[in-house]
Amino acid sequence: QVQLQQSGPGLVEPSQTLSLTCAISGDSVSSNSAVWNWIRQSPSRGLECLGRTYYRSKWYNDYALSVRGRIIINPDTSKNQFSLQLNSVTPEDTAVYYCARATSSGWHDYWGQGTLVTVSS
Amino acid sequence: DIQMTQSPSTLSASVGDRVSITCRASQSINNWLAWYQQKPGKAPKLLIYKASGLESGVPSRFSGSGSGTEFTLTISSLQPDDFATYYCQHYNSYPYTFGQGTKLEIK
Repeated sequence: QVQLQQSGPGLVEPSQTLSLTCAISGDSVSSNSAVWNWIRQSPSRGLECLGRTYYRSKWYNDYALSVRGRIIINPDTSKNQFSLQLNSVTPEDTAVYYCARATSSGWHDYWGQGTLVTVSS
Repeated sequence: DIQMTQSPSTLSASVGDRVSITCRASQSINNWLAWYQQKPGKAPKLLIYKASGLESGVPSRFSGSGSGTEFTLTISSLQPDDFATYYCQHYNSYPYTFGQGTKLEIK
């Protein structure tokens, strides 16, 4: 059974960097059939896919246009986890952030527990 | 990005009712569509993949249909545990996008 455990601060100051980690059990971040995602949810933007990382003989990343230039998603094979960094945050980035596994086809079958991140001074 | 539009936004129904939720895509997505159920304070839960495939462990009263740009999630006989918010999501091309949600309320 795949489990995703999220960790990271719930409060970030404006202009700072939001950092979250998703630890994987029951699968491998280097799997050739899984895709590892960050998704957020807010009342104003709904559910929004932010980006993903996956391994297919080499590492790939895709990012949403709305956060491109501010986002980095990194796999950590030594700890079997992946991370989200979102730079220069504003109050608009306040949301519940989820990590999720997707199949190679695209649907998200396992989700982390969610982390409410508030951007405020 | 492909836009996903769900209707209705809110649906009031009673236990035992048959209900349907519609999801429309701004362009054809073949059958690359998933449905999720979300309860307050919880992550979304996968119900349906590839428009009509039932995820393992999901009750058979849930079914999905459609292709191209119009899709439907049907619950054949509502149970108390089904009152929640439902989302569709396409995975035709990245970035994948979700519908705005349909809240299923008890009448």
